[in-house]
Amino acid sequence: QQQVKQSPQSLIVQKGGIPIINCAYENTAFDYFPWYQQFPGKGPALLIAIRPDVSEKKEGRFTISFNKSAKQFSLHIMDSQPGDSATYFCAASGNAGGTSYGKLTFGQGTILTVHP
Amino acid sequence: NAGVTQTPKFQVLKTGQSMTLQCAQDMNHNSMYWYRQDPGMGLRLIYYSASEGTTDKGEVPNGYNVSRLNKREFSLRLESAAPSQTSVYFCASNRQGRGNTIYFGEGSWLTVV
Repeated sequence: QQQVKQSPQSLIVQKGGIPIINCAYENTAFDYFPWYQQFPGKGPALLIAIRPDVSEKKEGRFTISFNKSAKQFSLHIMDSQPGDSATYFCAASGNAGGTSYGKLTFGQGTILTVHP
Repeated sequence: NAGVTQTPKFQVLKTGQSMTLQCAQDMNHNSMYWYRQDPGMGLRLIYYSASEGTTDKGEVPNGYNVSRLNKREFSLRLESAAPSQTSVYFCASNRQGRGNTIYFGEGSWLTVV
């Protein structure tokens, strides 16, 4: 049972484009939504995260948009660069007794390629 | 600044063999986790340890055991490896609490033939 669904599976854009990756979740107990970036041969690294009390969060060229009623959130990468080429994962977790925020449920991942 | 360190990086096992993946963190984190990553499925939680002395099952625990040896170390054991356990394994850690960043190791590539 996939509780976080991510799309698209792969995405190709030109340098300067704005790739958008979408995620949808089912569990209304989720209240922490991070995005991870993973380069080949490396572990995932936290990129940006949002909580459901805000609808948007920006950090540099990366923006998360969050729609609580639709149970959807998305990652936008402004002015994308070839160095942004990586696999991106959305994730979600919630508080079940205070110890559950590391119990992430991940989306399937999106392979982003940014052409020069 | 090592962060989360996993060993070995690569391993090939024969079906039925056993092995232990080692993980250590130097960030004084309470909580540690083992995930596996398979193509098209993201990362799935195998086991976690909320604090020293406690362990609990995640989404896909069958075929695995864990030991939280001390606050720094959390090992994952495959008692009788199966081809379905061919995967990339990631150890992770964080301080307990909402929004505390989870740090991942660089992964252990395991092939079971």
